[in-house]
Amino acid sequence: GESVGLHLPTLSVQEGDNSIINCAYSNSASDYFIWYKQESGKGPQFIIDIRSNMDKRQGQRVTVLLNKTVKHLSLQIAATQPGDSAVYFCAENLHNTDKLIFGTGTRLQVFP
Amino acid sequence: ETGVTQTPRHLVMGMTNKKSLKCEQHLGHNAMYWYKQSAKKPLELMFVYNFKEQTENNSVPSRFSPECPNSSHLFLHLHTLQPEDSALYLCASSQDGGTEAFFGQGTRLTVV
Repeated sequence: GESVGLHLPTLSVQEGDNSIINCAYSNSASDYFIWYKQESGKGPQFIIDIRSNMDKRQGQRVTVLLNKTVKHLSLQIAATQPGDSAVYFCAENLHNTDKLIFGTGTRLQVFP
Repeated sequence: ETGVTQTPRHLVMGMTNKKSLKCEQHLGHNAMYWYKQSAKKPLELMFVYNFKEQTENNSVPSRFSPECPNSSHLFLHLHTLQPEDSALYLCASSQDGGTEAFFGQGTRLTVV
């Protein structure tokens, strides 16, 4: 993707460690949130979502945490693998709109 | 394969040319989106269509003209573009507006 040219925040982790990627969202009226993964040359791929009536949701090896008080979202990846290396975006849906707004992204690098 | 297909994958056009980007989704979704991904802004929402009606226009210049003839097809007509319009243009679809969106692989546009 085009994020290669950006000065993105980068998280470097060793294979097997847990990763935590953070996102601050902007609009308190947002009530639905999604994490996407984008690998080089591909479009963003859905990982996990959460609605504002929840604080936590778990998937396979991933957990999303939502703190509405401080408008903060995090993605936890357990036992990070080299295939997890990508740029990760959070996205928010503004209540009662069709808008899906993306954050700036974080690059995850996994070292053997 | 995400079920969202974009053509062409690459496009080089002059500033006086007219071209169109095409997106087709095979997921039975009702909403379709155009995003621009560049080195300056990671994923910038351009337009949203829901049930063939445009519901969001994110202050996009008129040299970009979207068309949605039915819920499965979305076009982006381009004319008199500028070099700064060079970017990856991503199409996405979702069941309803603002929900989990599935992305195509994008059209990499270069304006010369």
